[in-house]
Amino acid sequence: AQTIHQWPVAEIKAVGSPLSLGCTIKGKSSPNLYWYWQATGGTLQQLFYSITVGQVESVVQLNLSASRPKDDQFILSTEKLLLSHSGFYLCAWNRDSGNTLYFGEGSRLIVV
Amino acid sequence: QQQVRQSPQSLTVWEGETAILNCSYENSAFDYFPWYQQFPGEGPALLISILSVSDKKEDGRFTIFFNKREKKLSLHIADSQPGDSATYFCAASAVGSSGNKLIFGIGTLLSVKP
Repeated sequence: AQTIHQWPVAEIKAVGSPLSLGCTIKGKSSPNLYWYWQATGGTLQQLFYSITVGQVESVVQLNLSASRPKDDQFILSTEKLLLSHSGFYLCAWNRDSGNTLYFGEGSRLIVV
Repeated sequence: QQQVRQSPQSLTVWEGETAILNCSYENSAFDYFPWYQQFPGEGPALLISILSVSDKKEDGRFTIFFNKREKKLSLHIADSQPGDSATYFCAASAVGSSGNKLIFGIGTLLSVKP
């Protein structure tokens, strides 16, 4: 069975500080990987997706970047956090031919 | 422009009642419609989905009714339980679209009172 794990579970960071969020999927080779952002009480906004190692496509510009250093790992980062970066970050995966997304447990970010 | 609309934004029903959550979409190319259930502090989980070739899909207490001509669908939760209290997202995409163009609605917050 496939498992997806995100870290950290939660972070409180200062404006202007750097950020790195991680996601690992086990039990599935060459998954499509995605980062979503969700404001409190809000909808799910796709940020990035990757279909293979080293390739990342940006969907929206939020002063964030993403990388896929390994087949099973997806990293979301920024050099300088903004207040607007606060929210719930979700990693997700799906198969090449599938549209169903499977989400991780999320990382809660509070920027102060 | 919001491509997937949901209503109501919040809904309260009594235990045992049927909750009806509505969804509509703009893009005629959409042909895959999943519903996700999200509990506070957790990631969304797929609840049930339907393809546009069908007009109804059932899974236990959960039923999707789909009207392609009107571009509308609804999720019916029969015999609602307090444990069903969660946010429900309707989503849509075109099957086979690259990069997963799954578009989510704003969600409906369901509260089931005992």
